[in-house]
Amino acid sequence: AQSVTQPDIHITVSEGASLELRCNYSYGATPYLFWYVQSPGQGLQLLLKYFSGDTLVQGIKGFEAEFKRSQSSFNLRKPSVHWSDAAEYFCAVGLAGGTYKYIFGTGTRLKVLA
Amino acid sequence: DAGVIQSPRHEVTEMGQEVTLRCKPISGHNSLFWYRQTMMRGLELLIYFNNNVPIDDSGMPEDRFSAKMPNASFSTLKIQPSEPRDSAVYFCASSLRPENIQYFGAGTRLSVL
Repeated sequence: AQSVTQPDIHITVSEGASLELRCNYSYGATPYLFWYVQSPGQGLQLLLKYFSGDTLVQGIKGFEAEFKRSQSSFNLRKPSVHWSDAAEYFCAVGLAGGTYKYIFGTGTRLKVLA
Repeated sequence: DAGVIQSPRHEVTEMGQEVTLRCKPISGHNSLFWYRQTMMRGLELLIYFNNNVPIDDSGMPEDRFSAKMPNASFSTLKIQPSEPRDSAVYFCASSLRPENIQYFGAGTRLSVL
């Protein structure tokens, strides 16, 4: 069965430090991959997406993610975190070929220390 | 565009009452998705429509839940009767086509007492 794993439930980093949020998926084909961010009381906002092509994708707010097929991973990175990045981050897999469902990971809550 | 619009933002009701959540997708989007978010189960897809037709409702938890999309600009998710375990945040999302990027509304926080 298809699944998305975000192994870190909570991550705390200091402002200005680098960030990497992990995402692994289980799917038989190459999926569509997404990272969304959710601020408290808000809906989900798309940070970036991977459909095909270059495996390093750039997103909004200075985020990037790299698709590694061999590791079934799509980790999110940011070189220098800002206090406003504190939020919950969700990795999602879009299943192509009929169902077009998104499967979301359980999320990683990011706390930023001043 | 105003984005995906959901109403109400908050709903508090008593067990046994009927609850109706509303969603207006982005104009021109042909696919609409209803999700439920809880601490225990995370984000779950309940149902999605393409061109106003329900395509996959396998995530709808029980017969108490129903969803309709009478036209391209409006959808409802109804719970009748509501139960405390239905308390959650319900999100609506829309996309140009099913395989495209989904844009989410701000959600409806439902509390069933």
